[in-house]
Amino acid sequence: AQKVTQAQTEISVVEKEDVTLDCVYETRDTTYYLFWYKQPPSGELVFLIRRNSFDEQNEISGRYSWNFQKSTSSFNFTITASQVVDSAVYFCALSQPKMNSGYSTLTFGKGTMLLVSP
Amino acid sequence: KAGVTQTPRYLIKTRGQQVTLSCSPISGHRSVSWYQQTPGQGLQFLFEYFSETQRNKGNFPGRFSGRQFSNSRSEMNVSTLELGDSALYLCASSATLQGRDNEQFFGPGTRLTVL
Repeated sequence: AQKVTQAQTEISVVEKEDVTLDCVYETRDTTYYLFWYKQPPSGELVFLIRRNSFDEQNEISGRYSWNFQKSTSSFNFTITASQVVDSAVYFCALSQPKMNSGYSTLTFGKGTMLLVSP
Repeated sequence: KAGVTQTPRYLIKTRGQQVTLSCSPISGHRSVSWYQQTPGQGLQFLFEYFSETQRNKGNFPGRFSGRQFSNSRSEMNVSTLELGDSALYLCASSATLQGRDNEQFFGPGTRLTVL
């Protein structure tokens, strides 16, 4: 069975601080995808990044960066110089495409609420 | 390109009633998934449809059902509503089921309150 753990329930930072959101996953499969989504108060899940299990390169997108460590089954997300608009709930998710039947589902962590104060 | 749309956005029902929620995927997307989000259980997968066929189902009772139409629009139905069904129901669409295109785009959700 697959599982995603986000141990940090809530993080509070002051604007311009860097913050790292942790994500640890469990899966028996060698092929899988990892995702991060942002959920602002409006409720809609906003896609941030997808990473497949064969690509361990870290990625940077503006103030966002992701650190994928297969050896520790972690896919951590760092926001540099946080801003008030970053306040949201962030979800890490795992997907295992089944190539024969062709379907996949997302298993989500419980989410980390990030509060950035001015 | 228009995003995923869900209707209605808010709904209030009473116990024992049934409800139907609608989801229109991004144009060209053929896969639609449904998720339930509650404070206690978080985000849980309900089911996925592709080409009008249910391809995968989560661990929910039979009161939860869905379908997909030929234009890829999907509906989910909950019968005999219980208080615990109060949740945000999210719909997600993706272009295909497998491989590199399994990125899912979410709609704004339908917030269901059961009294």
